[in-house]
Amino acid sequence: AQTVTQSQPEMSVQEAETVTLSCTYDTSESDYYLFWYKQPPSRQMILVIRQEAYKQQNATENRFSVNFQKAAKSFSLKISDSQLGDAAMYFCAYRGAWTGNEKLTFGTGTRLTIIP
Amino acid sequence: DTAVSQTPKYLVTQMGNDKSIKCEQNLGHDTMYWYKQDSKKFLKIMFSYNNKELIINETVPNRFSPKSPDKAHLNLHINSLELGDSAVYFCASSQVRNSQEGEQFFGPGTRLTVL
Repeated sequence: AQTVTQSQPEMSVQEAETVTLSCTYDTSESDYYLFWYKQPPSRQMILVIRQEAYKQQNATENRFSVNFQKAAKSFSLKISDSQLGDAAMYFCAYRGAWTGNEKLTFGTGTRLTIIP
Repeated sequence: DTAVSQTPKYLVTQMGNDKSIKCEQNLGHDTMYWYKQDSKKFLKIMFSYNNKELIINETVPNRFSPKSPDKAHLNLHINSLELGDSAVYFCASSQVRNSQEGEQFFGPGTRLTVL
């Protein structure tokens, strides 16, 4: 079974600074997807960024980028130029690539606080 | 237009009651899910349906029964509610085998409180 570990229950960062959230996972599959979801106080789950395991290039979405290390099974999220609206719970998630295994396995989350 | 909608958003009920949560998606997706988020914010899959067929059933008590009348709807019925059922329940949908493969779109969640 796959597991996802987020070792930082809470993080804080000064507004406009950069912060990195850590995520490691365990799997025996060679092909899979990794995600970062954001959950603000409104509780809506919002996809931040997605990475396909077969792609070596790290995904980037505006101020959000990942450092994907497949051999180390590590998938960290970097948020640049942090903004007050980035304050939320961030969840790392894993999904297998084969049909019938589309469920997301989530980490325990990291609560990110932005300091004005 | 709301992509994945759930009703109700809040549900407060007594122990022992039976309740249902409805979910609808207008994205044309063929796979739908139910997730449970507990008081510590941990999210866990409960069920997954693909074209009205159950494909994932995690270790969920028999009191929970999903029903998919068509591929745009996935409802969750809970019998004999217990205090431990209090949580936020999220519905989600996805479409496998397209450019957004893997991405799941979530509903707004239903906060269930059992008294």
